[in-house]
Amino acid sequence: QVQLQESGPGLVKPAETLSLTCTVSGGSIRRYSWNWIRQSPGKGLEWIGNIDSGGSTDSNPSLKSRLIISLDTSKNQFSLNLRSVTAADTAVYFCARGDAVLCAMDVWGQGTTVIVSS
Amino acid sequence: DIVMTQSPLSLPVTPGEPASISCKSSQSLLHSNGYDYLDWYLQKPGQSPQLLIYLGSNRASGVPDRFSGSGSGTDFTLKISRVEAEDVGIYYCMEALQSFTFGPGTKVDIK
Repeated sequence: QVQLQESGPGLVKPAETLSLTCTVSGGSIRRYSWNWIRQSPGKGLEWIGNIDSGGSTDSNPSLKSRLIISLDTSKNQFSLNLRSVTAADTAVYFCARGDAVLCAMDVWGQGTTVIVSS
Repeated sequence: DIVMTQSPLSLPVTPGEPASISCKSSQSLLHSNGYDYLDWYLQKPGQSPQLLIYLGSNRASGVPDRFSGSGSGTDFTLKISRVEAEDVGIYYCMEALQSFTFGPGTKVDIK
């Protein structure tokens, strides 16, 4: 079955760029939408943004100015780049598959912790 | 922006007994296609969220039939007919109509 795995640095310095990759295995990335969600103690679950198989993106308005989401179909991966991070960006970051028929996120990665600190 | 609220925020349950969680949205989640764009997720301890219910009342693949979702518009309910020990965790509702906003979560644990 489809599995998602997040990867990237666990520690990022303030003002730098947070970069994460989600690798999709057991299925094609050429369907569905591909989402990033984060969870911090202070804010619960927060949707960050997504990208569809055609490369169109959508994002949380609160993060849009700092966010780039990209797709690499040759590697079955999608990526998150969040620039100018602060301590408020410290969270567990999840990737998840979005199904347009279900209108839901039906497969999730295990999550990766990112701490923003100098 | 759509604001999602849940109640209660904490729910101690007795195995074998029913349980119910309420979710309310600040705007109607009823799409013009007739479906309510409301999903329910369960995050078990130490795990990522898993989809339970989509479009208000449809159980996701593999979800036991003791879980059911109901409601429309702005008021929704998740019911567990007979709670089992494996059902502990945090339950979230999420609107899928606008910006995928999650509710604050309801923590379910065993009494």
